[in-house]
Amino acid sequence: DVKVTQSSRYLVKRTGEKVFLECVQDMDHENMFWYRQDPGLGLRLIYFSYDVKMKEKGDIPEGYSVSREKKERFSLILESASTNQTSMYLCASSGGTNEKLFFGSGTQLSVL
Amino acid sequence: AQSVTQLDSQVPVFEEAPVELRCNYSSSVSVYLFWYVQYPNQGLQLLLKYLSGSTLVKGINGFEAEFNKSQTSFHLRKPSVHISDTAEYFCAVSRTTLGGATNKLIFGTGTLLAVQP
Repeated sequence: DVKVTQSSRYLVKRTGEKVFLECVQDMDHENMFWYRQDPGLGLRLIYFSYDVKMKEKGDIPEGYSVSREKKERFSLILESASTNQTSMYLCASSGGTNEKLFFGSGTQLSVL
Repeated sequence: AQSVTQLDSQVPVFEEAPVELRCNYSSSVSVYLFWYVQYPNQGLQLLLKYLSGSTLVKGINGFEAEFNKSQTSFHLRKPSVHISDTAEYFCAVSRTTLGGATNKLIFGTGTLLAVQP
């Protein structure tokens, strides 16, 4: 069964901490995505990667960075966590244009 | 630029009743449309997609959607819902540039389908 695995289901961090969210996929997909999901706002794209070491900003990249050193792993980094980054973070991968996205179960991040 | 509107944030319905979840899009170019479902405490999974061809698209779990270009809509329907269909449903459009479709989707704000016994 295909899988996108996010390392933590729940995470609590303090303001100003550096936070790493990890995502691993086992489908050899080129494309990986980080979205954040907020009530009433739906899913918003933070960053997208179409190959190892390649990345593109999404709609809300401010305050975030990403790393993709290996094809299967895509990390989201909050350089200095703030309370407005409290949210559900969803990782996804896909094999090509208009191919379906496979999502992880999400990480609920609370920044206090 | 493309956009997606889901006007209904919640749709309550009784078990075995039909349901329609509305989705309207805005785009000046050809669109590719998707419906995703999110069950409680899970990630999203694809229900169905429209890329081209027949405007009536059938998906998993008995859902179907109809692409209507003149009304810029892609409403999701099911003739008879079950308790297990309770979930949040997201409509999405593929972000398209001059170079064509991209891998990036624009999601609507979601509709919570609440099926009551």
